[in-house]
Amino acid sequence: AQSVTQLGSHVSVSEGALVLLRCNYSSSVPPYLFWYVQYPNQGLQLLLKYTSAATLVKGINDFEAEFKKSETSFHLTKPSAHMSDAAEYFCAVNPSGYALNFGKGTSLLVTP
Amino acid sequence: DTGVSQNPRHKITKRGQNVTFRCDPISEHNRLYWYRQTLGQGPEFLTYFQNEAQLEKSRLLSDRFSAERPKGSFSTLEIQRTEQGDSAMYLCASSNIGAYDQPQHFGDGTRLSIL
Repeated sequence: AQSVTQLGSHVSVSEGALVLLRCNYSSSVPPYLFWYVQYPNQGLQLLLKYTSAATLVKGINDFEAEFKKSETSFHLTKPSAHMSDAAEYFCAVNPSGYALNFGKGTSLLVTP
Repeated sequence: DTGVSQNPRHKITKRGQNVTFRCDPISEHNRLYWYRQTLGQGPEFLTYFQNEAQLEKSRLLSDRFSAERPKGSFSTLEIQRTEQGDSAMYLCASSNIGAYDQPQHFGDGTRLSIL
């Protein structure tokens, strides 16, 4: 079954620095990939999704992700971190058409 | 679009009691999903409905769990004879029927604590 692996359970960046959160997928066919963000005691909010229309996907709040088939990766980036970006980030894949398979998440800490 | 609504937000109960959670999806969405999330983990799929039909159940959904979606609108998830291991965040999501890239929209969840 298709799955995703998120490298780094915790990432810490300074305010204004580049954010890079890593996600690798396991798939022999083009996957359907998503990034979600979860703030404390809240549900998940969709940041962006890969639809195969373009390898560079732009999402909300200046986040973007690049699909690299050769590296089986879909890393999430943001040029300049804000304090409000501190949250848990989840990469997910949809192999079945209904059940999302989530990674274990990466907790982003933004320091002043 | 009022979003997915879940209640209660928090539920504390004693082991062995029954609990029921409710989810109101985005009104035009045909599909409704339930996930469970434990501390430090990503959500895990439990079950989903397309309109009123429950089409898939995960092995995580033991016989103590039951979900319904009467009339294809709101859904309830009931846990009977709760156990310590049932402590988790229960998330509901909804989506349109469509291709595999159809995004699921999540509610804020119900956090269940078993004493």
